[in-house]
Amino acid sequence: DTAVSQTPKYLVTQMGNDKSIKCEQNLGHDTMYWYKQDSKKFLKIMFSYNNKELIINETVPNRFSPKSPDKAHLNLHINSLELGDSAVYFCASSQDSGTAGNQPQHFGDGTRLSIL
Amino acid sequence: GESVGLHLPTLSVQEGDNSIINCAYSNSASDYFIWYKQESGKGPQFIIDIRSNMDKRQGQRVTVLLNKTVKHLSLQIAATQPGDSAVYFCAERWSFDMRFGAGTRLTVKP
Repeated sequence: DTAVSQTPKYLVTQMGNDKSIKCEQNLGHDTMYWYKQDSKKFLKIMFSYNNKELIINETVPNRFSPKSPDKAHLNLHINSLELGDSAVYFCASSQDSGTAGNQPQHFGDGTRLSIL
Repeated sequence: GESVGLHLPTLSVQEGDNSIINCAYSNSASDYFIWYKQESGKGPQFIIDIRSNMDKRQGQRVTVLLNKTVKHLSLQIAATQPGDSAVYFCAERWSFDMRFGAGTRLTVKP
């Protein structure tokens, strides 16, 4: 029973194309995230949504647009793909409201994006 | 090993030995810290966490130590097993923001 699922797992496409990555979590969490992991394994936060509202938007090119149709979904749309966009993109979720304070994030298994 | 520079630090240990992975965090306002394990082809997996009002927390075979004075975090793994081989990341949180360290690759020799 997958907690955070991303599709597709692999995405190979040409420069200049537009693509989307979908993410769904069935944990009932109120916060979702997108991370980018480069070839050196460095993980960098891109966006954070809490209860469908954008909370964090790092210095990410505006070719990247997240969309949260509901609390369980956070999709990532990328326009005009560039070679430097090649990376692994991870979706994550956590439960951050309530008296328990910050909780650990649960990650999907990633989407490997390769730009030709 | 500690995360410095752009290369992924590596730590190689013999099966059955104890492992210590170190991490320097950056923000003195961070109040929540997490260790993650990432295996090849998978997403980061939660191991253990600690809040800033504590300096030590133990789990099953793992212990996290927090030294806020020098902004240092460590993960100790007892009786390291081949299945512990992975990349380990520390992460610090404040509010909704979370930042990861550069990671340490742990290799366990049988």
